[in-house]
Amino acid sequence: DGGITQSPKYLFRKEGQNVTLSCEQNLNHDAMYWYRQDPGQGLRLIYYSQIVNDFQKGDIAEGYSVSREKKESFPLTVTSAQKNPTAFYLCASSTDRERAQYFGPGTRLLVL
Amino acid sequence: EDQVTQSPEALRLQEGESSSLNCSYTVSGLRGLFWYRQDPGKGPEFLFTLYSAGEEKEKERLKATLTKKESFLHITAPKPEDSATYLCAVQAFGRGSTLGRLYFGRGTQLTVWP
Repeated sequence: DGGITQSPKYLFRKEGQNVTLSCEQNLNHDAMYWYRQDPGQGLRLIYYSQIVNDFQKGDIAEGYSVSREKKESFPLTVTSAQKNPTAFYLCASSTDRERAQYFGPGTRLLVL
Repeated sequence: EDQVTQSPEALRLQEGESSSLNCSYTVSGLRGLFWYRQDPGKGPEFLFTLYSAGEEKEKERLKATLTKKESFLHITAPKPEDSATYLCAVQAFGRGSTLGRLYFGRGTQLTVWP
């Protein structure tokens, strides 16, 4: 079955620690996106990538980093510089032809 | 600045009581408007794409419509399983790397009670 997978489902971060969230898709989509969702707020764009080896900052990129070495994968690293990382993180992908973004199941990040 | 506003923030309906959710937008050239359903603790599930004013899409008890300034998601005879948060997003015509990104509203939390 084609789709988007995110792992882990839950992630715990200690203060000062960098953590990496995984996002993989087998939909053959060119574009991939990372969003952050907080209670009572809309989805906020962190980073996005239209093609391999290229990515752009979204609206809240500070404290995060990404890479896009393969078409199928777009990992997100939450660095120690992100002072309020507790949130629900969503990965999505899309094709230019269809335009709609399809989402993974999400990763909930909690701070110890 | 592009903006998407959804109303109401929350809506409680009795089973069978039809209603509509609103999504108003201000973008400089609409490339597409998207509706999603999100259950608690899950990723959003894609429902519809609307491209131009006057367009309508239907799926079971849901019908989405689009005008030049807003979209409505009509829910006919809802059931408890329709309870979820419904998200609206727009995509604007842009250049280069901005093409393709979506701007989301905050959502409408729908509760349907038996």
